[in-house]
This record gives sequence, structure tokens and C-alpha cells, in this order.
Amino acid sequence: NAGVTQTPKFRILKIGQSMTLQCTQDMNHNYMYWYRQDPGMGLKLIYYSVGAGITDKGEVPNGYNVSRSTTEDFPLRLELAAPSQTSVYFCASSKRLRDKYQETQYFGPGTRLLVL
Amino acid sequence: GENVEQHPSTLSVQEGDSAVIKCTYSDSASNYFPWYKQELGKRPQLIIDIRSNVGEKKDQRIAVTLNKTAKHFSLHITETQPEDSAVYFCAAGGHDYKLSFGAGTTVTVRA
Repeated sequence: NAGVTQTPKFRILKIGQSMTLQCTQDMNHNYMYWYRQDPGMGLKLIYYSVGAGITDKGEVPNGYNVSRSTTEDFPLRLELAAPSQTSVYFCASSKRLRDKYQETQYFGPGTRLLVL
Repeated sequence: GENVEQHPSTLSVQEGDSAVIKCTYSDSASNYFPWYKQELGKRPQLIIDIRSNVGEKKDQRIAVTLNKTAKHFSLHITETQPEDSAVYFCAAGGHDYKLSFGAGTTVTVRA
């Protein structure tokens, strides 16, 4: 299994441009997540999905959109990029709740985004 | 929502000594507490987790303790080695499918 994969690894955007960060998992996980990690900081949840066709906002959703048309893919869309969106973006996935407890979240390698 | 605080933000230890990182959480409904290790430029990786139905869990040189009454949990690393140098994150989550992460602790093991 490749686990969680993300593309691209690195991207430079100009202010106002748009892009889509790709995330794919091959573990048949129900839940998928998008986080951003600013330098020296923890992980902030942007959006998450508990299954195909179902998405919900996390802590910091402004400026982003997501879709989940399949179990495997969970792309993150940035519209009108701003310097404040310069960050490292991680996608993660996990199995569904078991006995009312969350399961391990597995992270992708990350996408480093620079907005100038 | 859940708020997780993590201390200290940096920790320097002599090789062979122990390291302890502490986290507190605010939501009494949280029942799952994982710890992640992140090496420079790499993805976070789970090193140990604990559920609210147990008070302590150990895996070789690492252990986690949970005090539900006080709403805090701790990571203990014994006999530290240079490869333990990394950033460690605690997190808390419940039935809402989400995790809230602490700000991280940078651990440096001095040879």
C-alpha cells in the first residue's frame, strides 16, 4: 500500500491565483482530513470528511474548499491565494470510529505552499 | 471546541536521561489521546496513543499516562537516544471524528 499520497510536494503561487492540492489514500479509510502547519506551530484542521459526499469545516476553513466524490480522493481547493495561506498542508486518513474511539490518523508527506 | 495545551515548548536532555512532555485538554468528552513524532521536513507519525478507559500504556522506552479527573496526559521517554530528537505533538479527540493538536515540543537529545 502507498498509504496517503499528496501532490504536488512544493508549489509557489502568486497572490490571487488558485490551485488544487491532491490527496489520495489506498487504505479504504472512511475519514479524511486536511491540516495546515505554520512554522513552529501545531496542526490546524481545515476541513474533514467522514465519507464520500460528506464534508465539514474544521477550525480554519476560510479561503478553502473541499469535495469528496470517492472514498480514495479528497482534494483541497485554494481560491484567490493570499500570503497568509503560506504553509505546509497535510492530508490524513483514518478508519471509522471503533467502540466509540477514534482510530489512528495516517498522514501524507505534505505539500509546501508559498504565496508571493 | 477542544483546546489542548502542551508544555514545555522546548526540551533539551542528556542522552540516556528521561524526557517528559505534558498536555492538558478542556473537553471532558475527549476519549482518545495520541502522540505524534515529527522529524524535520517529514510527516507526523503516531508513536503511541491511549484511550480514556486506561490510565497508562507503555511501548518499550515510551509510555503515556492519563489523568481524566485533572484532564491531563503525559508522554514519558526513558533512556533517550539521539534519534529521539524531533518535535512531539499531543492531541485529543472524541466522538466527533476530529483531533485537536497541541503546539508541539521540540526535543533535543545531547550526546
